[in-house]
Formats: sequence, structure tokens, C-alpha cells
Amino acid sequence: EAGVAQSPRYKIIEKRQSVAFWCNPISGHATLYWYQQILGQGPKLLIQFQNNGVVDDSQLPKDRFSAERLKGVDSTLKIQPAKLEDSAVYLCASSPTTSGADTQYFGPGTRLTVL
Amino acid sequence: AQKVTQAQTEISVVEKEDVTLDCVYETRDTTYYLFWYKQPPSGELVFLIRRNSFDEQNEISGRYSWNFQKSTSSFNFTITASQVVDSAVYFCALKRSNTGKLIFGQGTTLQVKP
Repeated sequence: EAGVAQSPRYKIIEKRQSVAFWCNPISGHATLYWYQQILGQGPKLLIQFQNNGVVDDSQLPKDRFSAERLKGVDSTLKIQPAKLEDSAVYLCASSPTTSGADTQYFGPGTRLTVL
Repeated sequence: AQKVTQAQTEISVVEKEDVTLDCVYETRDTTYYLFWYKQPPSGELVFLIRRNSFDEQNEISGRYSWNFQKSTSSFNFTITASQVVDSAVYFCALKRSNTGKLIFGQGTTLQVKP
């Protein structure tokens, strides 16, 4: 079974530019998550989708971050405009449902550097 | 509030030594789930174990074992006879029963030297 796919793996941009990350979850997983992991810290949830609906986006900086999962499968996370503090690894994860009992499986992440 | 604390920032051992990674959590929920993930240098978070709050049985999987104690709100992870390939950052995480959100600790960097 294929795991969670993410692209690109690395991205370097100048501040105030925009950037987009793509994620394809494990087949059949209804729930998709985006986490931000700043160097030396644990991942922090940015947004959670159930199919194509948003379940939790309370920690998403909505003035610059946006995300969508239009067809309930793959998802895109966008940052516009980027700030220096957005430098981090962006991890996508998926699980079968939103149940607390479900395990989340993570992709390889996208490492973003903002100069 | 939900919180996970991994007090050990970095641990260094020599191969074949046993090592224990500590995890202490805070929650007022009666039903919750605890997880351990491994993050090797490649960056991907690899799932190791899930434990629900009603199951305090210790678990052993090969060289890995986990000790869950609700009385002390701890979920510690022991690697027996460590190997160089065990070098990674290890994260403990907490999840409420009615939400998908994982709350991670700061992580413990384990270095196993040959």
C-alpha cells in the first residue's frame, strides 16, 4: 500500500513570495492533516479535513495560509506572502476517519526555507 | 488543557546500551490515546505504537517496550540493546477521543554511537 505522498521535498523562496505544497493521502483515508514543524519542536496542527470539509483550522494563520481539498482526496497548502518565521517542515498526514483511536500516517514532509 | 512533556532533549548512548525515553502528559479526559513516533534524519514521522487510556498493559515489540502508568501520567519508551539505526528524534503524542489532533511533545534526540 502506498504511503502519504508530498511534493516538493524542498523549497527555498524569498520573503513575501508565495509557495504551495501538495499532498496525496493513503488511498481510502477520509481525514487529512497539515502540520507545521519548526526546527527543534514537535509538529503543530495547522488544519484538518474530513473528506473535503474543514474540521479544525483554529491554528492556521488565515491572513497568509490557505488550504483546500476540493475533491476529498489530495490537498494543497499555500502560503502568501511568506515570512521568515514560516521556515519549517510541512508535514501531511492521513487517517481512515476522525476517530481519536485512528493512527495518523505521515508523509516525508516539505522543508521550506524563507530567505 | 492537553500537554505532553519530554524532558530529555538529547540522549547519547553507546551501542548495545539500554535507553529509556520519558514522556509525561496532562489531560482531564478519561478517554484518550497516546502515541510514539520516530523521526529519522530523512524527516518522515514513523508510527511506533498507539495505546488507549483504558489499556495499561505494557507492550513489547522486539527490542522496543513501552510502560504506561496512568497514576503518574507517564508513557515511557525503552530500547533494549540499542543500535546505531535507532538514532533519531522520538516524539510522544496525545490525542483526545473526539478529535484527530495530535499534541506532540518537544521530542528527544537519541544518538547511538558505535
